[in-house]
Amino acid sequence: KQEVTQIPAALSVPEGENLVLNCSFTDSAIYNLQWFRQDPGKGLTSLLLIQSSQREQTSGRLNASLDKSSGRSTLYIAASQPGDSATYLCAEENSGNTPLVFGKGTRLSVIA
Amino acid sequence: EPEVTQTPSHQVTQMGQEVILRCVPISNHLYFYWYRQILGQKVEFLVSFYNNEISEKSEIFDDQFSVERPDGSNFTLKIRSTKLEDSAMYFCASSPAPNSPLHFGNGTRLTVT
Repeated sequence: KQEVTQIPAALSVPEGENLVLNCSFTDSAIYNLQWFRQDPGKGLTSLLLIQSSQREQTSGRLNASLDKSSGRSTLYIAASQPGDSATYLCAEENSGNTPLVFGKGTRLSVIA
Repeated sequence: EPEVTQTPSHQVTQMGQEVILRCVPISNHLYFYWYRQILGQKVEFLVSFYNNEISEKSEIFDDQFSVERPDGSNFTLKIRSTKLEDSAMYFCASSPAPNSPLHFGNGTRLTVT
């Protein structure tokens, strides 16, 4: 059974710091991995999708990497801002159009 | 930017009652999904829907659950006889194609008393 784990469960950093969120997965046949942002009481916003053939994806201050061999993905946030405060979820897909398997998320607080 | 809309935002119902959660996916999307998140737990897959039929469903999606796309825009999740453990946030999502990012709605918080 596919399992996705995110550590830490919560993280608090001062504004301006660069930070890394971790995601590990057990599925060696991963098809893609997505990172989402969830604000309190809101839905999930897709941030980055990394195909299994890719090593990383970048969008603005965000960079996500994928290492299939070690079963790990990281989300790097540069120059963090208070507006980055949210829960960040990673989810992996086993093959095209199969259900996403989510981690429990990391709740990030960026302190001004 | 187009978005997935869900109504209502919050639904309170008594145990044993039927509820219908409504979703309007993004108009040119072809793949539709329901996920749920029990408070404090992971987001879990319920069902996927394509070409007017269920593509895949999880073990959570038992006979009490059903989905329907009654017209060209709405996508509904019905729970026939709600249980206390059905209390959760229910998210609808859509995508234009396989292997495309999913677009999620803001969810419906279902409270069963």
